[in-house]
Amino acid sequence: ILNVEQSPQSLHVQEGDSTNFTCSFPSSNFYALHWYRWETAKSPEALFVMTLNGDEKKKGRISATLNTKEGYSYLYIKGSQPEDSATYLCARTLSGNTPLVFGKGTRLSVIA
Amino acid sequence: GAGVSQSPRYKVAKRGQDVALRCDPISGHVSLFWYQQALGQGPEFLTYFQNEAQLDKSGLPSDRFFAERPEGSVSTLKIQRTQQEDSAVYLCASSTDTGHRQPQHFGDGTRLSIL
Repeated sequence: ILNVEQSPQSLHVQEGDSTNFTCSFPSSNFYALHWYRWETAKSPEALFVMTLNGDEKKKGRISATLNTKEGYSYLYIKGSQPEDSATYLCARTLSGNTPLVFGKGTRLSVIA
Repeated sequence: GAGVSQSPRYKVAKRGQDVALRCDPISGHVSLFWYQQALGQGPEFLTYFQNEAQLDKSGLPSDRFFAERPEGSVSTLKIQRTQQEDSAVYLCASSTDTGHRQPQHFGDGTRLSIL
């Protein structure tokens, strides 16, 4: 069993603030890392799939980095907006044939 | 286009009853996954289908849980003799990918409450 840890568990920021949170995982046998955004009463939405050490991906104001050697990924949100309020989940897998293992998520609340 | 559709959205059952949860994946998606999400936890893998073949059922918590995808499209997750610990959100996801290099597309989930 590999443990995916996310921190912080929850976060409150003011509108306009930039923020970041962390996904940590055992660095051995890395295959892929997924980030999802899950808004209340909606379905989880894919943000990024990252596979290579040093990967950096961007989608609008949201970006992510990946360090497979030390076992972490950062998610950054620039200029947070109230609509960014959601739970952000990361998940990693050891191979294409093994299931995704999710962290517990970081719950972000952006206050207008 | 249509996303992943799950029904019912909410299900309340008495302990001991059987329940069936339905997932209609995105058309043409080869892979289908079921997850269970308990309160305060991340989604936990239950089972995986590639077309109609159930390739991994290692996450099913007991033999009361059964899943099928007979024609490689719609899938049903059945829970027999439900227990209170089965109360959770059940998520279905589908993907074009048979590995994990492409994102999964999730439904809204079924929130199951066992009384």
